[in-house]
Amino acid sequence: GEDVEQSLFLSVREGDSSVINCTYTDSSSTYLYWYKQEPGAGLQLLTYIFSNMDMKQDQRLTVLLNKKDKHLSLRIADTQTGDSAIYFCAETLNNAGNMLTFGGGTRLMVKP
Amino acid sequence: EPEVTQTPSHQVTQMGQEVILRCVPISNHLYFYWYRQILGQKVEFLVSFYNNEISEKSEIFDDQFSVERPDGSNFTLKIRSTKLEDSAMYFCASSEAGLAGTGELFFGEGSRLTVL
Repeated sequence: GEDVEQSLFLSVREGDSSVINCTYTDSSSTYLYWYKQEPGAGLQLLTYIFSNMDMKQDQRLTVLLNKKDKHLSLRIADTQTGDSAIYFCAETLNNAGNMLTFGGGTRLMVKP
Repeated sequence: EPEVTQTPSHQVTQMGQEVILRCVPISNHLYFYWYRQILGQKVEFLVSFYNNEISEKSEIFDDQFSVERPDGSNFTLKIRSTKLEDSAMYFCASSEAGLAGTGELFFGEGSRLTVL
């Protein structure tokens, strides 16, 4: 079955760039997503990319998709302390209709 | 900005009791979902709902679970006889089109269920 994996933890200094990585196994992904979860809060959609794209940029966020390696990354430029949260990647598959499969989340800690 | 709202934010219940979790999706959205996150584990899909019926469900969504859209605004998840392992954060979500359409799925803040 499909599987989405992320590293557990990333620590960066304020002002640096953060790169959060995600790998997936199913090549029939249609959309790939990044969600942010702050403590005690729900899942906030940050950005998503359609599987026929390689890159998407939205202000400080850059999503890169390498379909050959089944690798997705989220780059946050000029990381701020307010970016500290758990970041989840997720995918939806051609044959899975409206179901999202999530990774386990990467906890980003931004140090002042 | 429109948002998905969920109530209650936290519910504590005894094993075997029935629980209803409520959600108000974004008003022009047509697709509705429930996901759950057991503490320390991945967010897992439970069910999707469109046109007043279940469109997909996972293996987790067994006979003790049911969903309903009793009026034009609420979307509920009922757990008939709760078990300890049902303790989790339950997230409601909605989308304007199916994920093969706009691709955007919006989540509520979650309802934490604790089964004792």
